Amino acid sequence: DGGITQSPKYLFRKEGQNVTLSCEQNLNHDAMYWYRQDPGQGLRLIYYSQIVNDFQKGDIAEGYSVSREKKESFPLTVTSAQKNPTAFYLCATEQGGSYNEQFFGPGTRLTVL
Amino acid sequence: AQKITQTQPGMFVQEKEAVTLDCTYDTSDQSYGLFWYKQPSSGEMIFLIYQGSYDEQNATEGRYSLNFQKARKSANLVISASQLGDSAMYFCAMREGLQGAQKLVFGQGTRLTINP
Repeated sequence: DGGITQSPKYLFRKEGQNVTLSCEQNLNHDAMYWYRQDPGQGLRLIYYSQIVNDFQKGDIAEGYSVSREKKESFPLTVTSAQKNPTAFYLCATEQGGSYNEQFFGPGTRLTVL
Repeated sequence: AQKITQTQPGMFVQEKEAVTLDCTYDTSDQSYGLFWYKQPSSGEMIFLIYQGSYDEQNATEGRYSLNFQKARKSANLVISASQLGDSAMYFCAMREGLQGAQKLVFGQGTRLTINP
């Protein structure tokens, strides 16, 4: 089946630990995105990547890092520098072109204990 | 300044009634796109409908239509004949520019509850 997978679905982290969220897609889409959603809020862009080995900061990149070594994968690392990491994280992909909607994965809910 | 404003935190509607969810936007670009997404309690974001700034006709997708008033910078979502399964959060989003991987800016959302 074509789609976007995110793992794990739920993640618990102790303060001071780095943690990596996985996002994999088999849609052959060029662009990939990471968003953060806080309770009762809209989505805010963390990082995005248009092609392999290239990525750009979004609006709230501080405390996060990404890599794009393969077209299919765009992992997000939440570092200890992120002061308030508890949130719902959504990965999205988009086919290149003048108009395309973004397709979203099922999300990872991160809780810092 | 907010680029996307959704002024209705919550809406309650009787089943089978039509509902309009408000969205206003702010941009100085001539080329932009407007999107509506639905987020059920499970959390995934489901694309509903798109309107480009140069589209002269209002977009429609099944029971969803977008009431696009460019001069007023509004892009309201209309759901006809609402169903219980329409209960969810609804987000309006805007992309500025039409080429390449441009980021989406989301509103705060409206929680829609359909009553039987």
